[in-house]
Amino acid sequence: KNEVEQSPQNLTAQEGEFITINCSYSVGISALHWLQQHPGGGIVSLFMLSSGKKKHGRLIATINIQEKHSSLHITASHPRDSAVYICAVGRSGNEKLTFGTGTRLTIIP
Amino acid sequence: SAVISQKPSRDICQRGTSLTIQCQVDSQVTMMFWYRQQPGQSLTLIATANQGSEATYESGFVIDKFPISRPNLTFSTLTVSNMSPEDSSIYLCSVSRVGEKLFFGSGTQLSVL
Repeated sequence: KNEVEQSPQNLTAQEGEFITINCSYSVGISALHWLQQHPGGGIVSLFMLSSGKKKHGRLIATINIQEKHSSLHITASHPRDSAVYICAVGRSGNEKLTFGTGTRLTIIP
Repeated sequence: SAVISQKPSRDICQRGTSLTIQCQVDSQVTMMFWYRQQPGQSLTLIATANQGSEATYESGFVIDKFPISRPNLTFSTLTVSNMSPEDSSIYLCSVSRVGEKLFFGSGTQLSVL
């Protein structure tokens, strides 16, 4: 079993729909990161979480430390949100990261 | 924040040759990370590069195949040596500071013929 599991692997939705991507992990962490990767390879950091909830524009990220689970939500989804979303965890006392396998999101106009 | 300039952005190489990838950061950072992303896969850590000491390699990666230099706190190179088609991947460098977001280079898309 991978230390970081994401679901779903692929998600296709209509423009305007509310999107949820989930990340579960099995190790103690110091922080959890949500990343966005567009075709071509460039990766952008969306959020870093150690507790609670963060919001930036139409994006919301939550984390439940007790349940070892995080969610990334996108409200009013748009075709430009189409990308691969990756969850990564930093382990306690260690700067190295463990990555989930990513969720490929496609938003259809 | 940190801005990372990575080059080349892509290259097509012949089997048996080597390619050196460079990452320049606009501020000083202690640790730089080199990742490989094989087609359809997530990121795998190759090694951690510290200034003034040898890089620390992850299981499955060796210095002879992926030599790394870290001459100062803003610059690092990764060389992919004696390439084979199996080395075709995206290679990325990254930096992070405790308590901060991650920053990535734009990636090097390598194709080996």
